[in-house]
Amino acid sequence: QVQLQESGPGLVKPSETLSLTCTVSGGSISTYFWSWIRQPPGKGLEWIGYTYYSGSATYNPSLKSRVTISVATSKNQFSLKLRSVTAADTAVYFCARAGDILEFDLWGQGTLVTVSS
Amino acid sequence: QSVLTQPPSVSGAPGQRVTISCTGSNSNIGAGYSAHWYQQLPGTAPKLLIYGNTNRPSGVPDRFSGSKSGTSASLAITGLQAEDEADYYCQSYDSSLSWVFGGGTKLTVL
Repeated sequence: QVQLQESGPGLVKPSETLSLTCTVSGGSISTYFWSWIRQPPGKGLEWIGYTYYSGSATYNPSLKSRVTISVATSKNQFSLKLRSVTAADTAVYFCARAGDILEFDLWGQGTLVTVSS
Repeated sequence: QSVLTQPPSVSGAPGQRVTISCTGSNSNIGAGYSAHWYQQLPGTAPKLLIYGNTNRPSGVPDRFSGSKSGTSASLAITGLQAEDEADYYCQSYDSSLSWVFGGGTKLTVL
């Protein structure tokens, strides 16, 4: 059974870079689209971007200038970097798998990242 | 402001039927991209509830059903139960913006 697990610091200082990794277990990362999605406290879901095992990536236009998503197929992992963070980037960050018709059929449990000095 | 529009809240008594709408545009649902629905219980990750407009993943009760018409989609829940109290999100793909979500609807079981 495929599972996703986010990992990374839970506290990031303003203006610094948020870095998270999602580990895929029980299956290969070399298929499907792999995404990051976030949810600010008490608010809705926001798609951040996706990557494919080939390394190609597409980002939400509203975050594109600050985001990089990369994949490490040998480790069965993909990662998120969000630069120049502010308090508005405080959120639960989820990694997720997108299926054949672009539905998110598998989610990690999520990790809360707080931006604060 | 979300690309897909949902009502902020709906409510119903146990046993009743409720529907949640999701209004998109000609660049997402109206362009032929599927609508998908998620249920999010407090403190947990969203769970896929309906995919491809009308399909239920294994394990999802048939009390949940989805439909699509034009630029909109709907989620219906029949025989409402206390455990259905949660936030519900629609999602689709947009030709300009890639993956997009609705703002979410909080379902209260009275």
